[in-house]
Amino acid sequence: SQQGEEDPQALSIQEGENATMNCSYKTSINNLQWYRQNSGRGLVHLILIRSNEREKHSGRLRVTLDTSKKSSSLLITASRAADTASYFCAMPIQGAQKLVFGQGTRLTINP
Amino acid sequence: GAVVSQHPSRVICKSGTSVKIECRSLDFQATTMFWYRQFPKQSLMLMATSNEGSKATYEQGVEKDKFLINHASLTLSTLTVTSAHPEDSSFYICSASSIQGLYEQYFGPGTRLTVT
Repeated sequence: SQQGEEDPQALSIQEGENATMNCSYKTSINNLQWYRQNSGRGLVHLILIRSNEREKHSGRLRVTLDTSKKSSSLLITASRAADTASYFCAMPIQGAQKLVFGQGTRLTINP
Repeated sequence: GAVVSQHPSRVICKSGTSVKIECRSLDFQATTMFWYRQFPKQSLMLMATSNEGSKATYEQGVEKDKFLINHASLTLSTLTVTSAHPEDSSFYICSASSIQGLYEQYFGPGTRLTVT
């Protein structure tokens, strides 16, 4: 299936450290998106990177995309306790609007 | 930004009853709405895609007679879980997209369904 695979499944770091999450996928994509979900809440769209882009920044977030390796990474710099959440990559199924989500990374920032 | 709401946020119902969940786009017209289900500590799984005024398209393995979806207007889609059973207990999330938004999906806050 097209579902993305993320690693690690869980990550626990100290406040102030950087957190890196990785997403791999199987087939060609037009774009890849990253979302955050706080426990029991809806999803918040973080960043979208297109297939012709290699890197994108938004505040403390940095996303990379390597289409040759079919992988993407999300880096959160100078982490804060409020960054504690689950992070999902998602990609549209080719030719359709619908998104397929990765399994997610549960990030815990320890104060 | 685009806002999507869901109602109710939490619902508890008895086994065998039906439950309706509403998804509304508050400040834009949603040509397409999506319904996802999420079990604890798992990812979102797409259940169905609905376009305003037409029948929903269900993903493989999702029972269309059990999960009734109606998208009667450009701002409202409903998901009805019929004859709910405990295994239907889950977090249901909708999203909405529009042509004007270049099909970016905006997610609702989710509905926690517990079937006793």
